Amino acid sequence: ETGVTQSPTHLIKTRGQQVTLRCSSQSGHNTVSWYQQALGQGPQFIFQYYREEENGRGNFPPRFSGLQFPNYSSELNVNALELDDSALYLCASSNYKTGPSPNEQFFGPGTRLTVL
Amino acid sequence: AQSVTQLDSHVSVSEGTPVLLRCNYSSSYSPSLFWYVQHPNKGLQLLLKYTSAATLVKGINGFEAEFKKSETSFHLTKPSAHMSDAAEYFCVVSDRGTGGFKTIFGAGTRLFVKA
Repeated sequence: ETGVTQSPTHLIKTRGQQVTLRCSSQSGHNTVSWYQQALGQGPQFIFQYYREEENGRGNFPPRFSGLQFPNYSSELNVNALELDDSALYLCASSNYKTGPSPNEQFFGPGTRLTVL
Repeated sequence: AQSVTQLDSHVSVSEGTPVLLRCNYSSSYSPSLFWYVQHPNKGLQLLLKYTSAATLVKGINGFEAEFKKSETSFHLTKPSAHMSDAAEYFCVVSDRGTGGFKTIFGAGTRLFVKA
């Protein structure tokens, strides 16, 4: 059983650019959530996808968007990058067998994004 | 609305003494509560979870937490600290509201363990 993987591990972009981060869920998991963790802070919930549809969203602007694919892998897209977007981006997968409900999430190692 | 407050940003204990990490929460619905640990340069790992079953929850590595609805608390404890427990600990609340699922992390508590 493979765990949650994320790519790339590190990324440097300049302000105004766009970025796509990728996540492969743990085998058998059908739900993925994305988080932003700024240095010295707790992770902030961006959104969650269940069966390819957005299932919940935190307080992030529309320039943060996502996709979940039929194989349950996922992308996080951020447009018009700002300096404050510099953070560790975490992906977490889980398996909701009977519909969406809070359950244990398995976290990937994260992608460190630096915006200059 | 959801919120999580971890009452201590840093806790320092001596090896072999008890650990108490405090967490208060608020939720408009019936939440699920979790504690996660993050070791330096490692991913987040689940310690334990409460999902409306027994109010005293046992987790990995000797940690446990008690859900107290009247106090809206979910404090994490361990009878005897080990050097390997030094890490960042996050209290997490997750529930489904009108806007869909949301998961809120506390700001974290850094646990230091002295030899």
